[in-house]
Amino acid sequence: EAGVAQSPRYKIIEKRQSVAFWCNPISGHATLYWYQQILGQGPKLLIQFQNNGVVDDSQLPKDRFSAERLKGVDSTLKIQPAKLEDSAVYLCASSSRLATDYNEQFFGPGTRLTVL
Amino acid sequence: ELKVEQNPLFLSMQEGKNYTIYCNYSTTSDRLYWYRQDPGKSLESLFVLLSNGAVKQEGRLMASLDTKARLSTLHITAAVHDLSATYFCAVARSGGSYIPTFGRGTSLIVHP
Repeated sequence: EAGVAQSPRYKIIEKRQSVAFWCNPISGHATLYWYQQILGQGPKLLIQFQNNGVVDDSQLPKDRFSAERLKGVDSTLKIQPAKLEDSAVYLCASSSRLATDYNEQFFGPGTRLTVL
Repeated sequence: ELKVEQNPLFLSMQEGKNYTIYCNYSTTSDRLYWYRQDPGKSLESLFVLLSNGAVKQEGRLMASLDTKARLSTLHITAAVHDLSATYFCAVARSGGSYIPTFGRGTSLIVHP
């Protein structure tokens, strides 16, 4: 089965510019996660979707970050405007709703963002 | 707020030796995950631990869970260079939505 797809893989922008990331989860996975991973740290959950509804976005900086998951499949994460401290790898993950899968997450390759 | 602490954060060991990575968490949880991350790569799921006393093994890695102590361990037996990576534990809050919180990770280097 195909894994979690993300694009672009790398992005370099100037501060105050905007950027968008795209994620396509594993087919049939109802739950989708966006994480921010700063170098040397563990992934920090930004937002969790169940189908197209938001389960948790308590750590999403809503003044500049937004995310949507239309039709409960693909998702986009946007940063507008970007700051230097947004330089990180943005990881998308998905998990199944099946009880036997225990919310085990499958991660995409990530998008490495550099803000200059 | 759920806090997850791993230690050590850095571990340098020789091939053939044994060692244990510890993951402590602050509130009740019934799902704990271990992931591996190679440099510049994404995360790969290793183990899912669901109940008190759960033990899972894959090759030279064995993970266990003590929900009463709020502690999970990842034990490495007779380490080999291929195990060099960063290991993360993640704990999901109980209560239906299973929102995960990750530890900072343990960076493991195995020397020949």
